[in-house]
Amino acid sequence: ELKVEQNPLFLSMQEGKNYTIYCNYSTTSDRLYWYRQDPGKSLESLFVLLSNGAVKQEGRLMASLDTKARLSTLHITAAVHDLSATYFCAVGGDYKLSFGAGTTVTVRA
Amino acid sequence: GAVVSQHPSRVICKSGTSVKIECRSLDFQATTMFWYRQFPKQSLMLMATSNEGSKATYEQGVEKDKFLINHASLTLSTLTVTSAHPEDSSFYICSVTASSYNEQFFGPGTRLTVL
Repeated sequence: ELKVEQNPLFLSMQEGKNYTIYCNYSTTSDRLYWYRQDPGKSLESLFVLLSNGAVKQEGRLMASLDTKARLSTLHITAAVHDLSATYFCAVGGDYKLSFGAGTTVTVRA
Repeated sequence: GAVVSQHPSRVICKSGTSVKIECRSLDFQATTMFWYRQFPKQSLMLMATSNEGSKATYEQGVEKDKFLINHASLTLSTLTVTSAHPEDSSFYICSVTASSYNEQFFGPGTRLTVL
């Protein structure tokens, strides 16, 4: 059974500082996804990582994938308030996705 | 990405009644659709996978007779919660995909409250 672990589960960020969310998974996969969820809303796709060494950046967010270490990171640069949300990683296998528990991010002034 | 709709977005029903939730893929033909449920402050849990024209495959612990899934066409899947009880109250999210895509596209979700 594929297990996906995210940490931290809660992250209080100070505006302007940098932070990283980690996503570890238990079995081989070359498909990893990052999503954002705002309260009461569905998932918004942030990144699709499909190969070892993949790195993608969008604004203040950057995601990377190391399939050998079974690790993905979501790096936040110079946090701003509108990044407050819950971030999920998900690992793909046979079309199915297994989700991490989510990281709830709060950005404070 | 694909545009996915769900209807209704929010539903409140009495215990014992049945509720149908629709998931539509608006701009491409979805060979596979997924149904997830999400309890407050928790992650998404896959309930079932359905392929067009086939019976759904349910995850362990999900009651087939309680959560009826019909994937009648390449653009529509329905989830019927039968004899709903308060513990079925949750946020239900569908997603769609096709073999030519490497990702799932998520609907906006349906919040079910059973009184």
